[in-house]
Amino acid sequence: QQPVQSPQAVILREGEDAVINCSSSKALYSVHWYRQKHGEAPVFLMILLKGGEQKGHDKISASFNEKKQQSSLYLTASQLSYSGTYFCGTFPGGSNYKLTFGKGTLLTVNP
Amino acid sequence: EAGVVQSPRYKIIEKKQPVAFWCNPISGHNTLYWYLQNLGQGPELLIRYENEEAVDDSQLPKDRFSAERLKGVDSTLKIQPAELGDSAVYLCASSDTWGDQQRGYNEQFFGPGTRLTVL
Repeated sequence: QQPVQSPQAVILREGEDAVINCSSSKALYSVHWYRQKHGEAPVFLMILLKGGEQKGHDKISASFNEKKQQSSLYLTASQLSYSGTYFCGTFPGGSNYKLTFGKGTLLTVNP
Repeated sequence: EAGVVQSPRYKIIEKKQPVAFWCNPISGHNTLYWYLQNLGQGPELLIRYENEEAVDDSQLPKDRFSAERLKGVDSTLKIQPAELGDSAVYLCASSDTWGDQQRGYNEQFFGPGTRLTVL
């Protein structure tokens, strides 16, 4: 089941904040966040694990509500380099090691 | 440390022609993934390898797609024959730490992808 991301797109001015949401209809064990710039490889940002563990980018924060199967990525004081498409990937756990990605959120940061 | 290498970066072919993509993962990474990314969509897993074994190929259209990872290092994904709907970006990724993978806690390192256009 593909997670749902919102918003689909957001435009910011440099220095503004944004929140990107990811929601799943299934119970989750972990949520992954990646950023992809046009024509480039997706780049790992963060992983949030059920139970509270997390690892990743030190300038980006995120939350994971296990009960609601929701995660949010918080981009504060945005920089021009934050522009790109953000994907969340959900991992249900168990014997299924497949990461399922959402459709992405396009973030544009203007000067 | 070198990243995931993919070649070619771009490929344009006529429909019904064969095509192959190559991926060299990060050294030491036992897990290799092939993803398909359509325009405006997130990556979709095609196949996952643990060393040389394909442990999840449930999403691979086996009538025309095939993959191999000989010696558990680099990998090749082939399409034969290609159809118009195969036009997409084919991404390769790799990861390590099997223990973290079981918990869904391992980051994946992606290559730049191969953009395939089928005419």
